[in-house]
Amino acid sequence: RKEVEQDPGPFNVPEGATVAFNCTYSNSASQSFFWYRQDCRKEPKLLMSVYSSGNEDGRFTAQLNRASQYISLLIRDSKLSDSATYLCVAPRGPNDYKLSFGAGTTVTVRA
Amino acid sequence: DAGVIQSPRHEVTEMGQEVTLRCKPISGHNSLFWYRQTMMRGLELLIYFNNNVPIDDSGMPEDRFSAKMPNASFSTLKIQPSEPRDSAVYFCASSSDRGLSGEGYTFGSGTRLTVV
Repeated sequence: RKEVEQDPGPFNVPEGATVAFNCTYSNSASQSFFWYRQDCRKEPKLLMSVYSSGNEDGRFTAQLNRASQYISLLIRDSKLSDSATYLCVAPRGPNDYKLSFGAGTTVTVRA
Repeated sequence: DAGVIQSPRHEVTEMGQEVTLRCKPISGHNSLFWYRQTMMRGLELLIYFNNNVPIDDSGMPEDRFSAKMPNASFSTLKIQPSEPRDSAVYFCASSSDRGLSGEGYTFGSGTRLTVV
């Protein structure tokens, strides 16, 4: 089993829609998680950190379910500029610098 | 801050040639990571430095790969000899506190390597 697994998508949604997708992780000892955004042919950029039960930043909400070992990302009121690949990231252990990156979920927002 | 700076942005080389990738981390960051990204394998950690010291190089594919960090503001990743299967985008990332604090990693813009 991969350490971090994501639905690759693509999720094609109209502007203004809400889109949500999950990520599962295998290491139950992981404490902090991250969502990164990667645009085509660009570097990954940190979108959100996820601690305890979740985090909210504007139109973006991340939730953490430790019992089921998954993290979700919800994007409300989608914008064209939200089109990107979203990478779920988890440490391999509680203080492990080795971050495992998921393969990414592709989101395309259409006009 | 200029962010993490990598050079070159693109590199095309012939099989068997030596390739050197360069990275300047963000000033004040004490952790530096080299990653490789391909369609097939996604992002893979190659090596991790903390305070200029290599801590974990278990992700380095084989002896053809080597990395150095002579000081806090510079690191290199060298491939000698290069092979077509080394073609990928190589990212350098830096962070404080090993990236486990809320700020995560900051990635450079990457070097797109093509070995023909």
